[in-house]
Amino acid sequence: KNQVEQSPQSLIILEGKNCTLQCNYTVSPFSNLRWYKQDTGRGPVSLTIMTFSENTKSNGRYTATLDADTKQSSLHITASQLSDSASYICVVSALDGGGTSYGKLTFGQGTILTVHP
Amino acid sequence: DGGITQSPKYLFRKEGQNVTLSCEQNLNHDAMYWYRQDPGQGLRLIYYSQIVNDFQKGDIAEGYSVSREKKESFPLTVTSAQKNPTAFYLCASSAFAGDVVGYTFGSGTRLTVV
Repeated sequence: KNQVEQSPQSLIILEGKNCTLQCNYTVSPFSNLRWYKQDTGRGPVSLTIMTFSENTKSNGRYTATLDADTKQSSLHITASQLSDSASYICVVSALDGGGTSYGKLTFGQGTILTVHP
Repeated sequence: DGGITQSPKYLFRKEGQNVTLSCEQNLNHDAMYWYRQDPGQGLRLIYYSQIVNDFQKGDIAEGYSVSREKKESFPLTVTSAQKNPTAFYLCASSAFAGDVVGYTFGSGTRLTVV
């Protein structure tokens, strides 16, 4: 069964500090991994997308890494801001039998990040 | 601006009633999706449609129904058969099933059964 597990479930940090969120997955065959940011009561917004051949991708203060061998990904947030308070969701998609991603995704439960002043 | 519009933002339903959630997109996307989000759980796929007049059940389709009569619209009906309908519902779309870059979510509808 395809699964995505995220840790920690929640995290509290002080403004200006760095943090790292973890994602482990068992989705196979792997197509791509995405990190989303979801503000409370809003839809998820994409931060990064990585395919099998990519092991790091940055989007401003967000840097995602991917280790396809160990099936792990991390999202590192640098110099956190109050606006970073949100849920961060790891999403993995699998290839279908024909070798193309068919768009069905497996979602992690999310890590709730709270940034305090 | 192109995007996905979900309405209403908040919806209250009495037990035993059917209710329909709206999802409209002006991105010219072929594929559309409905997800359910519960606290502490990942999003779960309810239904998806890869093209007009076609849709498939997702992982938790029981108690829900959809239609795809127009490319822009993919409404979700929560029927009285859905035993625990209180949740946050998200609609998404992509240019085609399997599109990685263009996968876009709406802002969600929170449904509460009273």
